[in-house]
Amino acid sequence: DVLMTQTPVSLPVSLGGQVSISCRSSQSLVHSDGNTYLHWYLQKPGQSPQLLIYRVSNRFSGVPDRFSGSGSGTDFTLKISRVEPEDLGVYYCLQSTHFPLTFGSGTKLEIK
Amino acid sequence: EVQLVESGGGLVQPGRSLKLSCAASGFTFSNYYMAWVRQAPKKGLEWVATISTSGSRTYYPDSVKGRFTISRDNAKSSLYLQMNSLKSEDTATYYCASLLYNWFAYWGQGTLVTVSS
Repeated sequence: DVLMTQTPVSLPVSLGGQVSISCRSSQSLVHSDGNTYLHWYLQKPGQSPQLLIYRVSNRFSGVPDRFSGSGSGTDFTLKISRVEPEDLGVYYCLQSTHFPLTFGSGTKLEIK
Repeated sequence: EVQLVESGGGLVQPGRSLKLSCAASGFTFSNYYMAWVRQAPKKGLEWVATISTSGSRTYYPDSVKGRFTISRDNAKSSLYLQMNSLKSEDTATYYCASLLYNWFAYWGQGTLVTVSS
């Protein structure tokens, strides 16, 4: 199985600040079709996860441009600028290039 | 608006069975792959099963293969998860999700399954 390693585990942030979350995979996420299936989710407290970014850098419908994704191969980053209170929660990366689909262990974004 | 509403969770003894349901609305259910994802208490997310649009193809991780069966009824816009031979480690909130190509796009609110004697 592809191991997804997220860092840091916890990320204190000041409102209005900028943060980055790293997600590294144990093998390349480039699919044989040429696409890279790495996605980002946010799970707010008491809620189900919601899709933020799909295929590395594409914002899902309704996601503000404060969220951006980048990376390639095995190394990916989610950046959040001008952090707002609604951004707090646990962020997960997901790879869907290889079966079984696997998630990172999560990064908790909390107020400093 | 896409809505996914899970039901059927509860307390079940180890070794017994349980069937979860997910009612979908707000989109053309028959056009989308669907999946189940679970989250053990205070833990991360784990993919459980995926089913194709027609239901002819299903996919599972080794942790549930042979014990869980995903199915769908496109006429009823409903997704199901039959869980047999339940173990304590199957205790989790189970989410129904619609897929955009091969990743999870929309999620339900989840239903809690507790496996305990």
